[in-house]
Amino acid sequence: QSVLTQPPSASGTPGQRVTISCSGSSSNIGSNSVNWYQQLPGTAPKLLIKSNNQRPPGVPDRFSGSKSGTSASLAISGLQSEDEADYYCAAWDGSLNGVVFGGGTKLTAL
Amino acid sequence: EVQLLESGGGLVQPGGSLRLSCAGSGFTFSTYAMSWVRQAPGKGLEWVSAISGSSGSTYYADSVKGRFTISRDNSKNTLYLQMNSLRAEDTAVYYCATRLRLGDLSLYSLFEYWGQGTLVTVSS
Repeated sequence: QSVLTQPPSASGTPGQRVTISCSGSSSNIGSNSVNWYQQLPGTAPKLLIKSNNQRPPGVPDRFSGSKSGTSASLAISGLQSEDEADYYCAAWDGSLNGVVFGGGTKLTAL
Repeated sequence: EVQLLESGGGLVQPGGSLRLSCAGSGFTFSTYAMSWVRQAPGKGLEWVSAISGSSGSTYYADSVKGRFTISRDNSKNTLYLQMNSLRAEDTAVYYCATRLRLGDLSLYSLFEYWGQGTLVTVSS
């Protein structure tokens, strides 16, 4: 059971907008920034969104992040087949004194 | 170019020990915190441990506390993870990761650069 809660799966058709949620608590998302990672099959994770809503260089602008209270969301607008991957949220947890990840969401382009 | 290269993985019996290494290059290694993140086969990411640039602060997941020790040798640009009393549930690909930013504890969840990972298998 992960400290941060994500839906295990999400899907959409090419061109569609898809959102992935990440729910936490006051000790993690509620008081710290959230980062999102994309993991393509057989590869190391890649930073997708940092500090709640910032895209690192090279990340397409169809990816966006937001945070409100103890929840965060990753949105993908204009879904493409190459976006099929696992997505993880992460945050520092002040009560656990460590980093917590969501369980991951497997995104499928139908 | 920032590069992280893990080594030291392999097959070990339950109760055994293993030391992982992660060689960093392309950045001022001693300045930045480093972390270990693992992924069991077919499972999600799990943070394992982190260490500050100066080694003054270390952090551990409850699942490894008392069994694993993180350390670094800044003169060799190398991060280590000493793993003792290994269990079957420690079987995973272990990644080292870092970010080239300084700041407060919340930045420990920011992993801008990842290694390719090294597989640890705990089995008899």
